[in-house]
Amino acid sequence: KNEVEQSPQNLTAQEGEFITINCSYSVGISALHWLQQHPGGGIVSLFMLSSGKKKHGRLIATINIQEKHSSLHITASHPRDSAVYICAARGGATNKLIFGTGTLLAVQP
Amino acid sequence: ETGVTQTPRHLVMGMTNKKSLKCEQHLGHNAMYWYKQSAKKPLELMFVYSLEERVENNSVPSRFSPECPNSSHLFLHLHTLQPEDSALYLCASSQVPGQDYGYTFGSGTRLTVV
Repeated sequence: KNEVEQSPQNLTAQEGEFITINCSYSVGISALHWLQQHPGGGIVSLFMLSSGKKKHGRLIATINIQEKHSSLHITASHPRDSAVYICAARGGATNKLIFGTGTLLAVQP
Repeated sequence: ETGVTQTPRHLVMGMTNKKSLKCEQHLGHNAMYWYKQSAKKPLELMFVYSLEERVENNSVPSRFSPECPNSSHLFLHLHTLQPEDSALYLCASSQVPGQDYGYTFGSGTRLTVV
């Protein structure tokens, strides 16, 4: 079992919908990242957070340290949001970045 | 462009070939990383370089050989690969190894071993 689990694995939404992607982790962490990977491979860092909530445009990331859970929300989703969203946590015994397997999001017009 | 440039974007090689992947960053970062991303699997850290010294090697087969000639450039030399080595190879850099400020990925090299 991976120390960082994401759900759902696949998500299809209609344009304009509010989207939530979840990430749970089983180790103590110092930071959690949300990353976006478009077809073609390149990965872009969306957020790095260790507590509370961060917002950037239509994206919101929250983390609950006690529950070991983070969520990424997308408001007013758009087809250009279609990508793989990856959660990564720095922590565990080795203090390495541990990656989830990603959530494939498809937003249909 | 994120500031981390990888070439080539795509590579097809035979099992007896020798090829190299290149990564370049001009962000002033001191740490560089190679990752492997296989289908349906999480990213796997392969190598970490800090100030041109290899500080981590995560049980990677010797057919993968990294080289870091300076803090801006990182290579991954490939020889006698296996079909299961086909994957997306991503380079990343950060200001300081083990810390995540400015963690930046390249666009990756899609490698196919035939």
